[in-house]
Amino acid sequence: GIQVEQSPPDLILQEGANSTLRCNFSDSVNNLQWFHQNPWGQLINLFYIPSGTKQNGRLSATTVATERYSLLYISSSQTTDSGVYFCAARYNFNKFYFGSGTKLNVKP
Amino acid sequence: EAGVVQSPRYKIIEKKQPVAFWCNPISGHNTLYWYLQNLGQGPELLIRYENEEAVDDSQLPKDRFSAERLKGVDSTLKIQPAELGDSAVYLCASSFTSGSGELFFGEGSRLTVL
Repeated sequence: GIQVEQSPPDLILQEGANSTLRCNFSDSVNNLQWFHQNPWGQLINLFYIPSGTKQNGRLSATTVATERYSLLYISSSQTTDSGVYFCAARYNFNKFYFGSGTKLNVKP
Repeated sequence: EAGVVQSPRYKIIEKKQPVAFWCNPISGHNTLYWYLQNLGQGPELLIRYENEEAVDDSQLPKDRFSAERLKGVDSTLKIQPAELGDSAVYLCASSFTSGSGELFFGEGSRLTVL
């Protein structure tokens, strides 16, 4: 299966700071998603981004499929951004493979 | 449009008791997934359905876990008997089989086995 590695595993930011989260994957993918798991445990879709760049407010993501990585950018972080960020990848319509997540703590 | 609906949100049982979780996927999504998430880890696939067919159940512990999706819509995941190590969050997700196949999750069912 596809190996998905996320870094860093933990990240502490002061409110207002910017950050970049990375997701490396071991094989070709045609579905790459970023999720935010909030403190109540729900996984919220952030981006469906098998390639290219997308932006949604203070968040943006870039996937370079040929180099097998994706980046999630958080600008002007807020305390509500705290939680765990997961990326998930799959090839064709087989199973999704999840990384182990980046735990973000934004301090006021 | 309603999202993926799961129930119950929380369940506390004693070991050796049975437990069942229910999931209703997003309307029109023919692929349904059950994931297990342990504390501090990413979700792990238990079983994947395409319509009513289980197409990937290789990670489902079949001695105590069972699942069904009889009419290709909602699904039930059962554990009997529950063990202490089954304490976790059970997540249901759904997607279209064709197109982007974007994955959407429910709120999860948190199980505590005492």
